[in-house]
Amino acid sequence: ETVLTQSPGTLSLSPGERATLSCRASPSVTNTYLAWYQERPGQAPRLLIYDTSTRAAGVPDRFSGSGSGTDFTLTISRLEPEDFAMYYCQQYGTAPGTFGQGTKVEIK
Amino acid sequence: QVHLVQSGAEVKEPGSSARVSCKVSGGTFSTYVINWLRQAPGQRLEWMGGIIPAFRAPTYAQNFQGRLTITADESTGTAYMDLSSLTSEDSAVYFCARGYGNYGNSWFDPWGQGTQVTVSS
Repeated sequence: ETVLTQSPGTLSLSPGERATLSCRASPSVTNTYLAWYQERPGQAPRLLIYDTSTRAAGVPDRFSGSGSGTDFTLTISRLEPEDFAMYYCQQYGTAPGTFGQGTKVEIK
Repeated sequence: QVHLVQSGAEVKEPGSSARVSCKVSGGTFSTYVINWLRQAPGQRLEWMGGIIPAFRAPTYAQNFQGRLTITADESTGTAYMDLSSLTSEDSAVYFCARGYGNYGNSWFDPWGQGTQVTVSS
């Protein structure tokens, strides 16, 4: 099973700042099959990125994904108030698909 | 645009079964891969199983074999998740989601709003 470890556990930032979220895989992710989701309290998870760097429909371009192999990054270029939420990475290249434990982006 | 709406929260006794429904609107329900995932407190999201309604042959994660039944009603565009022999460890938020890929090896979009199932005596 591929284990995904996200860091940091909590990221405290101010609106307008840049957020960099990390997702490390062990072993490596096959074919860059990695996705990112945003989850706000009481709401359904929302797909942000799939295939490492492809933004889902309707996702603002301040969200970007990068990486390969074992190291992946979600970057939010300038935090908007609605971006303070929980973020999860997920690999779907190797069965069973697995999720990271999440990074909480909170207002500083 | 595809939209998934789940049934409401449930409280179940240990040893009983829980059923959660997922009403899908928009698009062609029969051809979608509808998956079920859950997140227990302090635990990671976990894929449970999925179904393509037109094929009526669900696929289950090994952890849930024998206890999980996923069905779909094409006439109403609704998928169902039935989990039996409940224990306190099954207390979790359950989600349905459309998958793009091979069942558990998919990315998921969109998701239902989630259904809290609490197992307690």
